[in-house]
Amino acid sequence: AQSVTQLGSHVSVSEGALVLLRCNYSSSVPPYLFWYVQYPNQGLQLLLKYTSAATLVKGINGFEAEFKKSETSFHLTKPSAHMSDAAEYFCAVTPRNQGGKLIFGQGTELSVKP
Amino acid sequence: DGGITQSPKYLFRKEGQNVTLSCEQNLNHDAMYWYRQDPGQGLRLIYYSQIVNDFQKGDIAEGYSVSREKKESFPLTVTSAQKNPTAFYLCASSITGGTASGNTIYFGEGSWLTVV
Repeated sequence: AQSVTQLGSHVSVSEGALVLLRCNYSSSVPPYLFWYVQYPNQGLQLLLKYTSAATLVKGINGFEAEFKKSETSFHLTKPSAHMSDAAEYFCAVTPRNQGGKLIFGQGTELSVKP
Repeated sequence: DGGITQSPKYLFRKEGQNVTLSCEQNLNHDAMYWYRQDPGQGLRLIYYSQIVNDFQKGDIAEGYSVSREKKESFPLTVTSAQKNPTAFYLCASSITGGTASGNTIYFGEGSWLTVV
């Protein structure tokens, strides 16, 4: 079965530092890949998605992610963290033969220190 | 504004009671979903519906029921058979849910259910 692994349940960075949140998927056929952000007590907001166009995907709020088939990875990065980036981030996949359902990783909580 | 509306935001359930969470969307989306979120466990799919009058079980459907009588509405009932219902519940929708996916799934603001 398809699965998603996010390395690190909690990541802490200083304001202005690089943000790197890791995501690996398990599938021989590359799925569609998504990153969502969740602020406390709110729903999920789409940051970006990969649907087999460009491997480097740019999203909202300065985030981007690179799809690497050889590494089955879709890591999320932002060059310079801002205090407002503190939130929980979820990587998710939609297997190409299983309709529109999302399979989520466990989530990574990002803290940003002043 | 177009979007997904979940109500109520907070709900308390007594032991043995059934409760229903409402989800309405005005995005004209065919597919709708219910996810459950527990701390440290990500989101898990309860039920989904790709079209009106049709729905399928997700990964954790036991103790839950749904209906899809209207395109814009997908209510979730948490029955007394659900032994550990305290969680954050998220409703979502996408324009289609078919195999030609990769469509974005949009989420509501969520509902907190607590058993008292």
